Amino acid sequence: ETGVTQTPRHLVMGMTNKKSLKCEQHLGHNAMYWYKQSAKKPLELMFVYNFKEQTENNSVPSRFSPECPNSSHLFLHLHTLQPEDSALYLCASSLSGATDTQYFGPGTRLTVL
Amino acid sequence: AQSVSQHNHHVILSEAASLELGCNYSYGGTVNLFWYVQYPGQHLQLLLKYFSGDPLVKGIKGFEAEFIKSKFSFNLRKPSVQWSDTAEYFCAVKAGGYQKVTFGTGTKLQVIP
Repeated sequence: ETGVTQTPRHLVMGMTNKKSLKCEQHLGHNAMYWYKQSAKKPLELMFVYNFKEQTENNSVPSRFSPECPNSSHLFLHLHTLQPEDSALYLCASSLSGATDTQYFGPGTRLTVL
Repeated sequence: AQSVSQHNHHVILSEAASLELGCNYSYGGTVNLFWYVQYPGQHLQLLLKYFSGDPLVKGIKGFEAEFIKSKFSFNLRKPSVQWSDTAEYFCAVKAGGYQKVTFGTGTKLQVIP
């Protein structure tokens, strides 16, 4: 158990749907991350939050909208996605900045029809 | 911007064979380097990391990596692999003052009993 949980574990949605991914960390960390993992591609950083403030947006399309209400919770709101957005979405947390070890959740396997 | 190359996408070894997985990065300044591992059905987790000091870093489960600045490399090694080392291995780099960690595409290691 890494202390980072993600729900749901699997999600199938249509292109017109709106859904949200949830991440929770029980490690007392202050930084949280969203990554996208697609087949045969490097893990892509999407967003970074440090002390609830967004510090990195890696040119992510606006159909992905993150929310960090507190240091323990991170959401990724999805709307009007495309089939190419199908991937494994990983959440991670670290004590503070990127020099710290990141602890990953199990991921949400997203399929967009 | 920094980038990471892992040249071996899939490696198959017999138990007790020696392992070396290549990792090269592109960035001319100070770097922090990581190797993460993902065992089948498990979360990504840190194997070892280099921040400063001794360029030979020892991690968990008998793994080590050597930072060679002149070659922009951080290769992962293990003298004798076990079947339980079957996993996907990711090299990652944090460059300078940037707050993001860039991952390589990963190397799948299969160890045959």
